[in-house]
Amino acid sequence: GAVVSQHPSWVICKSGTSVKIECRSLDFQATTMFWYRQFPKQSLMLMATSNEGSKATYEQGVEKDKFLINHASLTLSTLTVTSAHPEDSSFYICSASVSQGKSYEQYFGPGTRLTVT
Amino acid sequence: GENVEQHPSTLSVQEGDSAVIKCTYSDSASNYFPWYKQELGKRPQLIIDIRSNVGEKKDQRIAVTLNKTAKHFSLHITETQPEDSAVYFCAASTDFNKFYFGSGTKLNVKP
Repeated sequence: GAVVSQHPSWVICKSGTSVKIECRSLDFQATTMFWYRQFPKQSLMLMATSNEGSKATYEQGVEKDKFLINHASLTLSTLTVTSAHPEDSSFYICSASVSQGKSYEQYFGPGTRLTVT
Repeated sequence: GENVEQHPSTLSVQEGDSAVIKCTYSDSASNYFPWYKQELGKRPQLIIDIRSNVGEKKDQRIAVTLNKTAKHFSLHITETQPEDSAVYFCAASTDFNKFYFGSGTKLNVKP
């Protein structure tokens, strides 16, 4: 089946620094990649939709300049949390979308736990 | 965007009993409804899905029903087992691509 990886799996950074998270589709080319944020015991909140070679589409309320998304190829998307603050601490999950006939299926990465101190 | 509501937030059942989780959605254009199971600290895993042209779908102990008119869909787990304990999320998609998730239901199956 389709495999999506994320790196790193967890990261601790100091307030004010930037952190880059990678999302890769290992055995398929993803039409689209998505970035979600999940707080403890809460749901997945869609942050942005990322298409290869074009600018990401951000959901309402998500700061574009704070959460930079780059989609360099059909197998790699990166999320950079700039000038991180403790409130950015969260579980970030990416997913990659692949066409299944007339519909799409999303495959999720294992997530990256970010802790900002 | 789409607004998906999910109930209950927690559900505790005895092993062997059935569990039902309900979701409603707001966008009548939504036409794909997957259900995911997430264990603590792990990625969501698709367990079953349904499209808007179908009213019910079953896969062994798991079934999903959809009422397009009322804009709600439900997950039914029969003969629950302790390994069914996890958080379950419903989702709705307006274009088969972008998913909006419900708030999640923590299911606890007591042995």
